[in-house]
Amino acid sequence: EAQVTQNPRYLITVTGKKLTVTCSQNMNHEYMSWYRQDPGLGLRQIYYSMNVEVTDKGDVPEGYKVSRKEKRNFPLILESPSPNQTSLYFCASSLLGPLRSGRLYEQFFGPGTRLTVL
Amino acid sequence: TQLLEQSPQFLSIQEGENLTVYCNSSSVFSSLQWYRQEPGEGPVLLVTVVTGGEVKKLKRLTFQFGDARKDSSLHITAAQPGDTGLYLCAGLNTGFQKLVFGTGTRLLVSP
Repeated sequence: EAQVTQNPRYLITVTGKKLTVTCSQNMNHEYMSWYRQDPGLGLRQIYYSMNVEVTDKGDVPEGYKVSRKEKRNFPLILESPSPNQTSLYFCASSLLGPLRSGRLYEQFFGPGTRLTVL
Repeated sequence: TQLLEQSPQFLSIQEGENLTVYCNSSSVFSSLQWYRQEPGEGPVLLVTVVTGGEVKKLKRLTFQFGDARKDSSLHITAAQPGDTGLYLCAGLNTGFQKLVFGTGTRLLVSP
């Protein structure tokens, strides 16, 4: 089954304790991205990746890191989480990126990770 | 940051009613998508529109892309409880080379 998986689905942590949210896709997609979803703000892009070893900042990258060492995986790293990073996080993947192709492909989303930072 | 404003933000209606959700921006988008998100899940694509003035129908859902490609609408005829969810528009702004999501419209359809 074609899917994007995220782990964990729920996480409660404390300020300053490093954490990683994993994301994996089995569709051989080049483009992957991370979003956070907050009430009234829609989905805001944190980071995206056009291919292995190619990543770039989205609209709200502060406090986050990513890596793309393999095509299928795109982990999101919070080195020192703070309460304002409490949010619902989504990983997504698609065929080619809009930046390269100029075409808007379907974004396949993971089930989300609800993060609470105390 | 380019914004896609959606209205209304919330909509609560009875089964069988019609409704329209709007997605507006001051920027031009080369193409636009609509997604639906159900609780506990990620958004799922409903439709992609690419031509100004384009109208697409998906059963009881009608999507329109504005002539100037700055706005879009989603019309649902005879809403059903299964239509309940968060509706998101997303636009590709080639000028800024960004994929931008709208603020979302939360729809509740009661039996």
